[in-house]
Amino acid sequence: GAVVSQHPSWVICKSGTSVKIECRSLDFQATTMFWYRQFPKQSLMLMATSNEGSKATYEQGVEKDKFLINHASLTLSTLTVTSAHPEDSSFYICSAPGRVTDTQYFGPGTRLTVL
Amino acid sequence: DAKTTQPPSMDCAEGRAANLPCNHSTISGNEYVYWYRQIHSQGPQYIIHGLKNNETNEMASLIITEDRKSSTLILPHATLRDTAVYYCIVRVGTNDYKLSFGAGTTVTVRA
Repeated sequence: GAVVSQHPSWVICKSGTSVKIECRSLDFQATTMFWYRQFPKQSLMLMATSNEGSKATYEQGVEKDKFLINHASLTLSTLTVTSAHPEDSSFYICSAPGRVTDTQYFGPGTRLTVL
Repeated sequence: DAKTTQPPSMDCAEGRAANLPCNHSTISGNEYVYWYRQIHSQGPQYIIHGLKNNETNEMASLIITEDRKSSTLILPHATLRDTAVYYCIVRVGTNDYKLSFGAGTTVTVRA
């Protein structure tokens, strides 16, 4: 089946630094990818829709200047958390629509800890 | 998209069938019922989806009531690896692939 990978799987950074998270579709092309955030013991919250070759679409309340999304190719979307702060510590998950069936394939997630 | 209601948690014995209910009384005619699950510290995994007919695949069965106001996900022979949070999601089956996750049901399979 379709596979989505994320890198890194976990990252620890100092407050004020920027962190880039990659999301790749390994055996299929994805013109659209989605980024979610999940805090402990909570459900997934959609942050933004990443569109290949155009600007990302952000959900209400998500700061586009803080969470930079780049979808430079049909298999890669990146999420950069700029000037990270401890409150940005979370589990970040990406997904991409399946080719045939109307499903979403999720990456394994990236755990970000900001000290 | 229609709102769904699921029990917050349930236990299941290993080897027995697990029946997970979901209420979606405001579902509209063009909305599908999707089920995903999330094992701890992993990304969600697609399980099954349907419109109005019952569906079955290698993972589970989906039973949708005739009025489509509720559905049940059935894991026929639960194993310890089925312990996860199960999400029932209702949405229109178009090219807008956005998924809105509720709280889900935490299923614990016990030996």
